[in-house]
Amino acid sequence: GQNIDQPTEMTATEGAIVQINCTYQTSGFNGLFWYQQHAGEAPTFLSYNVLDGLEEKGRFSSFLSRSKGYSYLLLKELQMKDSASYLCAVSDSNYQLIWGAGTKLIIKP
Amino acid sequence: GAVVSQHPSRVICKSGTSVKIECRSLDFQATTMFWYRQFPKQSLMLMATSNEGSKATYEQGVEKDKFLINHASLTLSTLTVTSAHPEDSSFYICSARQGEEIETQYFGPGTRLLVL
Repeated sequence: GQNIDQPTEMTATEGAIVQINCTYQTSGFNGLFWYQQHAGEAPTFLSYNVLDGLEEKGRFSSFLSRSKGYSYLLLKELQMKDSASYLCAVSDSNYQLIWGAGTKLIIKP
Repeated sequence: GAVVSQHPSRVICKSGTSVKIECRSLDFQATTMFWYRQFPKQSLMLMATSNEGSKATYEQGVEKDKFLINHASLTLSTLTVTSAHPEDSSFYICSARQGEEIETQYFGPGTRLLVL
């Protein structure tokens, strides 16, 4: 079966760095996405990785290792507004997105 | 980035009535639109995929006669929840894909449905 695993909840301090991990087992791979979702709102696109390595975009970076079925989202200089759920999603062989359950990130002052 | 709108943003209806939710791509033509539902504290669940001018493809377990999807144009898809019941109360989100490129999938703001 297809499976996406990520921690349910994480807590971090304002100004710090946090890494949210995602492991996946899917039938085929056509890229991995990270989305941010604030409570009561739709997800917003953060990053897309299809090749191994680190993609940096401002305070957010995303890493992918296809051989390990592993990705992480790195958030630097955390701000209170970063409190949200972070969803990992993988595009499978049919280009269908398989979603993780999301990681709720709580930022404390 | 591209903009996708949904209307209404919030709806409350009585059990047994039907509710229509619209999803529009405002500044691009969406060849494919997706409908998701999300229960509190859970991830997105894909309900169906719709391509303009053809019948929607429903995921396993989703009743096509209950969740009617129409993708009449390249900028509009509608989801009608027929004979809604309290268990249909959920957050419904659409997304639109501009082309075959995977990255170009944009989400609408969502519609919160409460069935009394």
